[in-house]
Parts: sequence; C-alpha cells; structure tokens
Amino acid sequence: KAGVTQTPRYLIKTRGQQVTLSCSPISGHRSVSWYQQTPGQGLQFLFEYFSETQRNKGNFPGRFSGRQFSNSRSEMNVSTLELGDSALYLCASSPRQGGETQYFGPGTRLLVL
Amino acid sequence: DAKTTQPTSMDCAEGRAANLPCNHSTISGNEYVYWYRQIHSQGPQYIIHGLKNNETNEMASLIITEDRKSSTLILPHATLRDTAVYYCIVSPTNFGNEKLTFGTGTRLTIIP
Repeated sequence: KAGVTQTPRYLIKTRGQQVTLSCSPISGHRSVSWYQQTPGQGLQFLFEYFSETQRNKGNFPGRFSGRQFSNSRSEMNVSTLELGDSALYLCASSPRQGGETQYFGPGTRLLVL
Repeated sequence: DAKTTQPTSMDCAEGRAANLPCNHSTISGNEYVYWYRQIHSQGPQYIIHGLKNNETNEMASLIITEDRKSSTLILPHATLRDTAVYYCIVSPTNFGNEKLTFGTGTRLTIIP
C-alpha cells in the first residue's frame, strides 16, 4: 500500500498570507490527524478528522482549520500567517477514529518570512 | 506534564543491540506504551506498542516491567539506518483530545 502523502513538501510564505496543505491518507484509512512540529514545542496535535467531521481538536487558534473530503483526503488551512507558524506540518492516518497507531506522512515544511 | 522520561542521547555500535529505556512511573491501567521514531527530515514512524506483555515485531522488541513503570525498546541488530530520534509515549488506545504527545525523545546514533 502507498503511504501517507503530503503536498507540497516545502513552502515559503510571508506574514499575513494564508496557506493550504494537502494530505492523502493510506488507502482504507478514514481518520486523518494533523500535527505541528517545531524545535521548541515538539510535536503538537492540531485536529483529527473522521468521516468528513472534525472529531478532536488541539489547543490552536481559529486561524488553523481543516476539512476532510468524502475520499478521506484532508486539507489544512492556516490564515493570516505569523512568523511562529513556521514549522513542519505532519499528517497522520489511521483506520479508525482515535486509532491506536498513526501512520505519518513526510510532512510539509512551512517557512513564514 | 511529561508522562515519560528518556535519556537525551545514546550511541550504539552497528550490528549490536540497541536498548532504549523509558520511564513512565505514572502510567494508568488503561494506557499503552507506544514507540515511534523520527529519522531526520521525515515524519514519525510507528515501531511497536504494548500494554503489559512483552511484544516483538519485525522491527523491534518491547520489554515492559511487571509494575509497568518502565520499558525498554530493543533493536536487535542496529544498522546505520536506525539512527533517529526515538519517542516513548503512553496513551490509551482512544487518544481523545490529547492525541499523541511526543516528548523530546532519545537521539540514537549508530556508530559504524
């Protein structure tokens, strides 16, 4: 089976802009979770989508949003980018909601200037 | 709150067994021990998990003490490709709002 794929792999934006990241889960996986990884904060959970509905949410501002499509593919949007949003954004899929093992994609590295 | 404690870094000779310890003294009865690793510039990779019995798969073995307050991940024959940061996580199977919380992990360097 193909793994989790994320596009784009690298992105450079400026403050105030918005960005949309895409994630395609492993075939048959219906849960998609998003994480932000920074050197200072480590890996932090953003949100989880299952059956096109947000099921769990981490402690991030409303500028961070997401959605999931009927084919389980997911997008994450960050509006009004700030310098502190520079990070590696990781997507993980799992067969079930709150699945015990998460299969991560390679991530999208976002740099905000 | 850090639920796990791991050494910051470890070295291991290529071909030898790498033993990575993890302390989780406040683990609850319904929490599993998970191990992930992250190779530089890649997403985390699931390795293994267990509740109270020792577990083995094609990648590694997981030894959990009887009181479940600590565990050891064993890579039986370490290769250079095993150089990575290894994360020990405790969590119930249904992660809920917390989802996976990775600490700082152990940076394992395999020495040729």
